[in-house]
Amino acid sequence: DAGVIQSPRHEVTEMGQEVTLRCKPISGHNSLFWYRQTMMRGLELLIYFNNNVPIDDSGMPEDRFSAKMPNASFSTLKIQPSEPRDSAVYFCASSHEGRGGYTFGSGTRLTVV
Amino acid sequence: DAKTTQPPSMDCAEGRAANLPCNHSTISGNEYVYWYRQIHSQGPQYIIHGLKNNETNEMASLIITEDRKSSTLILPHATLRDTAVYYCIVRGVSSGSARQLTFGSGTQLTVLP
Repeated sequence: DAGVIQSPRHEVTEMGQEVTLRCKPISGHNSLFWYRQTMMRGLELLIYFNNNVPIDDSGMPEDRFSAKMPNASFSTLKIQPSEPRDSAVYFCASSHEGRGGYTFGSGTRLTVV
Repeated sequence: DAKTTQPPSMDCAEGRAANLPCNHSTISGNEYVYWYRQIHSQGPQYIIHGLKNNETNEMASLIITEDRKSSTLILPHATLRDTAVYYCIVRGVSSGSARQLTFGSGTQLTVLP
């Protein structure tokens, strides 16, 4: 098993541009989570899906952020328009039925200049 | 509304046992104690979890006090590769937000040669 796969690993973009982060969960896992990590705020849960349905998006900072899970094997987190304060490492994680241990991806380091 | 309290940092000599404490005095009867660690620049890694009995796996042991208000993660023979931030997390199993993993500040464990 290749684990949770995130792409790209690094993204540098200019303020105002659209950014799309991608995640492929572990096959058979039906819960998917997007986290953001910064030095100031640590690891924050942005949104989580269960069976491809968003369950709790209360952590999404504002309307510029959106997430989708069109099928069990793919999810995207989109920021439009991006701002410098969005610079962070974004992690995707998956688990089975939201129980047990989550498996995290390697993260996408986003820099907005 | 942190549910857990951990020391910000600890040192441990290589080859010795590392004992990482965690206080969770407000834990509810149906909440589990989870431990994760994050090695620099990597995604968090699941270590172990438990409800009220002590647990052991190939990575570590988890000792939970009888009143469940605190726990200790034990790495029996710490190596330099165990240097990481260790997170203690209290998590419910009911649906919705109670299932989420909420990360605090964790303990920076440094294993010294």
